[in-house]
Amino acid sequence: GNSVTQMEGPVTLSEEAFLTINCTYTATGYPSLFWYVQYPGEGLQLLLKATKADDKGSNKGFEATYRKETTSFHLEKGSVQVSDSAVYFCALSRVDTGRRALTFGSGTRLQVQP
Amino acid sequence: DAGVIQSPRHEVTEMGQEVTLRCKPISGHDYLFWYRQTMMRGLELLIYFNNNVPIDDSGMPEDRFSAKMPNASFSTLKIQPSEPRDSAVYFCASINYPGTGLYNEQFFGPGTRLTVL
Repeated sequence: GNSVTQMEGPVTLSEEAFLTINCTYTATGYPSLFWYVQYPGEGLQLLLKATKADDKGSNKGFEATYRKETTSFHLEKGSVQVSDSAVYFCALSRVDTGRRALTFGSGTRLQVQP
Repeated sequence: DAGVIQSPRHEVTEMGQEVTLRCKPISGHDYLFWYRQTMMRGLELLIYFNNNVPIDDSGMPEDRFSAKMPNASFSTLKIQPSEPRDSAVYFCASINYPGTGLYNEQFFGPGTRLTVL
């Protein structure tokens, strides 16, 4: 079956530090990959996505590249801000099969200190 | 649009009681999803609907859980009887699917935090 593995949190960084959150996946076929973000007390919001190998998704300074050879989709940001403190979820969807639901990783909490 | 609306935002109940969670998807969206979030198991898909018809309920934990979607603008998730292990945040999400191989953003509601004592 499909699965997503994320690095354990929490990740604690100082403001302006470089961020990497690792994500690897297991899936047959051609999954689409996503990063969602959950701010305290809110639902999940789509941060970025990539729908095929070598695609790079980007938004709000965050980037992730779909690497089929390493089955990875690591999230990066060059300079984090306090406002980036949230829980980040990596997810996949097998849109090629018509299955609509997302399979999520366990989430990684990011804490950015001033 | 107001986004996906869920009610109540918080629910505290006693073991054995019936609990009903409600969701209003974004108008025009043809898929609706129910997820459960716990510390131990993370985010799990419970069930999803397409055009009000349940498509995949393999994530529903047991017969105590049931979900309905009587029309395009309303869905319920019911737990009867509730147990302490059902304590979690329950999210509803909706999407307008453009077609196989394509993807639109799945929009999540704010969630219902359920505590069963």
